[in-house]
Amino acid sequence: GQQLNQSPQSMFIQEGEDVSMNCTSSSIFNTWLWYKQDPGEGPVLLIALYKAGELTSNGRLTAQFGITRKDSFLNISASIPSDVGIYFCAGQRRGGSNYKLTFGKGTLLTVNP
Amino acid sequence: SAVISQKPSRDICQRGTSLTIQCQVDSQVTMMFWYRQQPGQSLTLIATANQGSEATYESGFVIDKFPISRPNLTFSTLTVSNMSPEDSSIYLCSLKRGDEQYFGPGTRLTVT
Repeated sequence: GQQLNQSPQSMFIQEGEDVSMNCTSSSIFNTWLWYKQDPGEGPVLLIALYKAGELTSNGRLTAQFGITRKDSFLNISASIPSDVGIYFCAGQRRGGSNYKLTFGKGTLLTVNP
Repeated sequence: SAVISQKPSRDICQRGTSLTIQCQVDSQVTMMFWYRQQPGQSLTLIATANQGSEATYESGFVIDKFPISRPNLTFSTLTVSNMSPEDSSIYLCSLKRGDEQYFGPGTRLTVT
């Protein structure tokens, strides 16, 4: 099925550095969700965005809903070793049966202590 | 947030057998979903399971291969039937609460 374009595919950074990743789509979404998946676990919801232009923070994480509704980014500031994992974006349309999530392919983050 | 548990957490199964995965959630929800995550891949929706109705399957997934039950508003099962090594994946249940979706810890299935 349709997938979002998520980049970068992987990142190797030093502890303390800031990280940025993004997702783009050819179609509009009403909701953007960002998840983190640790090895052997299910995805955990980090941030949910509901309005175009919305900027939302959760601790060291900040995410924005693009003004065109076709993109979103996630920033992690001052990275720490426990930030290691795979980050997925997901877009959702609203109304009727449009509840399904479309996922990006993920960004694998490695943090060197 | 949501509390979602799955059983088993992992299993190794023989080709040709079937495995039923259970998903229990902490409060009543209308919509539950089953996803597959193949090794190194993103999540793919298998089907939507609403209580009191037949599950709705996505393209490429059929009821004979992945029968689903939804006997009440807090529980669902997914069966992976007549397994082959290509079915080796993580299977995740999920629920929708408002505009947010939450995932269980997953069941890691290896078929030999």
